[in-house]
Amino acid sequence: AAGVIQSPRHLIKEKRETATLKCYPIPRHDTVYWYQQGPGQDPQFLISFYEKMQSDKGSIPDRFSAQQFSDYHSELNMSSLELGDSALYFCASTGLAGVSEQFFGPGTRLTVL
Amino acid sequence: GQQVMQIPQYQHVQEGEDFTTYCNSSTTLSNIQWYKQRPGGHPVFLIQLVKSGEVKKQKRLTFQFGEAKKNSSLHITATQTTDVGTYFCAGGYNKLIFGAGTRLAVHP
Repeated sequence: AAGVIQSPRHLIKEKRETATLKCYPIPRHDTVYWYQQGPGQDPQFLISFYEKMQSDKGSIPDRFSAQQFSDYHSELNMSSLELGDSALYFCASTGLAGVSEQFFGPGTRLTVL
Repeated sequence: GQQVMQIPQYQHVQEGEDFTTYCNSSTTLSNIQWYKQRPGGHPVFLIQLVKSGEVKKQKRLTFQFGEAKKNSSLHITATQTTDVGTYFCAGGYNKLIFGAGTRLAVHP
């Protein structure tokens, strides 16, 4: 079965650089969620989209922005990167907004040097 | 805002022993979900509980949702080495608020 795809899987950036993370949800899933997971921590909700519109917002820094495109894939744009942004970034998708399980992608490991 | 607390943080057991992790929310939950994350992996959905006092079983795993819908537990009977990982509870409807997780180590 098709799963959530995230790219790149690993990313190394310098401080103050920008990064773009991509997420391709499971086919026919219309809702995408972004989470940030620091080492040894639980995933923290950043932002979500339903039918290409932002549906909820969590602890996402102003330096980050995201959008969902017409093909339902989503991109998380991160600017002025800081050391503290180093983390695993997960994308998850569901077929019905706010209902049932979220299917997580393999994550993008971002390292900021 | 809503907070979800989970204990214990770590649990080491011998293979064959039982394991339980507990989850408490600062507010009443409409539902609670449980996820398992293997080392180096991503969270994988285990189950969702919706009804007050609900109990669900999946083979050796038993999930409970409290009567007040503010607490939940996951119990694993006779742990196996394949149960190793971090178990998270999560509340919320659109966005998930995760507990801190319980990291389970199983010694053969």
